[in-house]
Amino acid sequence: QVQLQQSGPGLVKPSQTLSLTCAISGDSVSSNSVAWNWIRQSPSRGLEWLGRTYYRSKWHNNYAASVKSRIAINPDTSKNQFSLQLNSVTPEDTAVYYCARAIGYIDNWGQGTLVTVSS
Amino acid sequence: QSVLTQPPSASGTPGQRVTISCSGRSSNIGNNYVYWYQQLPGTAPKLLIYRNDQRPSGIPDRFSGSKSGTSGSLAISGLRSEDEADYYCASWDDSLTGWVFGGGTKLTVL
Repeated sequence: QVQLQQSGPGLVKPSQTLSLTCAISGDSVSSNSVAWNWIRQSPSRGLEWLGRTYYRSKWHNNYAASVKSRIAINPDTSKNQFSLQLNSVTPEDTAVYYCARAIGYIDNWGQGTLVTVSS
Repeated sequence: QSVLTQPPSASGTPGQRVTISCSGRSSNIGNNYVYWYQQLPGTAPKLLIYRNDQRPSGIPDRFSGSKSGTSGSLAISGLRSEDEADYYCASWDDSLTGWVFGGGTKLTVL
């Protein structure tokens, strides 16, 4: 049974970088049949897919156009986890952030982290 | 504004059958599967239906899904109080190269 455990700060100042980590148990970040995603949820934007990383002989990334210029999702094979970095945040980036596994479809979610962007 | 369109609310009495619709376009639902998630307050979404009409193990057969053209539908029969939750549809979008979601439907059991 796969489990995703998120960690990271709940408060980030405007213009700074939001950083979250998702630790994986019961699966491998390097699996050839899985993609590792970040999704956020806010009252104003609903559920919004941010991007993913996956391994198919080499590492690949896809990012949503809305955040493409300031996002990075990276795997950490030594710790079997993956991370989200979102640069130059504004109050509009305030949301609950989820990591999620996709096996052709999103089937497992982390517990969620409320991140507030405020000075 | 969500890419997929759902009604904001639905309701029914215990034992009734309710349906929730999800409308998309050719680049998402029209060419890909529809998925449904249930979200209880304060928790992460939970997979209810995958690949249009398949139920993961542990999901009661009171929940069923279907797809026709660029729309999907979730049906809940024998409505129970514990079904009161938010329901979201999702699909892969070939044009956006990413997952897209509906705005969510809040189900109230009267």
